[in-house]
Amino acid sequence: DAGITQSPRYKITETGRQVTLMCHQTWSHSYMFWYRQDLGHGLRLIYYSAAADITDKGEVPDGYVVSRSKTENFPLTLESATRSQTSVYFCASNPRDRAYEQYFGPGTRLTVT
Amino acid sequence: SQQGEEDPQALSIQEGENATMNCSYKTSINNLQWYRQNSGRGLVHLILIRSNEREKHSGRLRVTLDTSKKSSSLLITASRAADTASYFCAVLHAGGTSYGKLTFGQGTILTVHP
Repeated sequence: DAGITQSPRYKITETGRQVTLMCHQTWSHSYMFWYRQDLGHGLRLIYYSAAADITDKGEVPDGYVVSRSKTENFPLTLESATRSQTSVYFCASNPRDRAYEQYFGPGTRLTVT
Repeated sequence: SQQGEEDPQALSIQEGENATMNCSYKTSINNLQWYRQNSGRGLVHLILIRSNEREKHSGRLRVTLDTSKKSSSLLITASRAADTASYFCAVLHAGGTSYGKLTFGQGTILTVHP
């Protein structure tokens, strides 16, 4: 199906475990973003990418790692999950020529116990 | 710190009434966008207004931008129960990178009662 998908949709993991959240888009958009959404903080940018192999930190990058070997995929890895990383994670993308309107995936609800 | 600050945090109205949400920001912007989020879903782009625009319409939506006051308003006219959602403003900073990074506000929760 066309669009932007995230997997898994729900994940429960334990403190200290490594977790990877997947994001896949079928539009060949250049730009991709990872946000976390927490009550009282709105959406905060974790990492973003302008193209394959080009990534940069956002507002809250600590504890996260990203890669982008292919344009359509932008996985987010929590190297050693902490309870403070319990959140809803959203992936988004936008094409270079659409004045920065972003298209969001459905989100992944992550619980770290 | 968050650029977009929204007011009110929650708004409850009856179907058919108008809903107005406000957004303030701190520094110069390239554009300001409004998004809607239904419960448990991702955000959906509603409308974008550029820094050199003062007003924009899209269906029942009307957005205004006052760069001198660093504020924007989203008006939803003749609201429907289906408009119940959280609404977020997001700003693209002026003079920033070309990556299109947005800074989001904390959102306004709109409830429209049938």
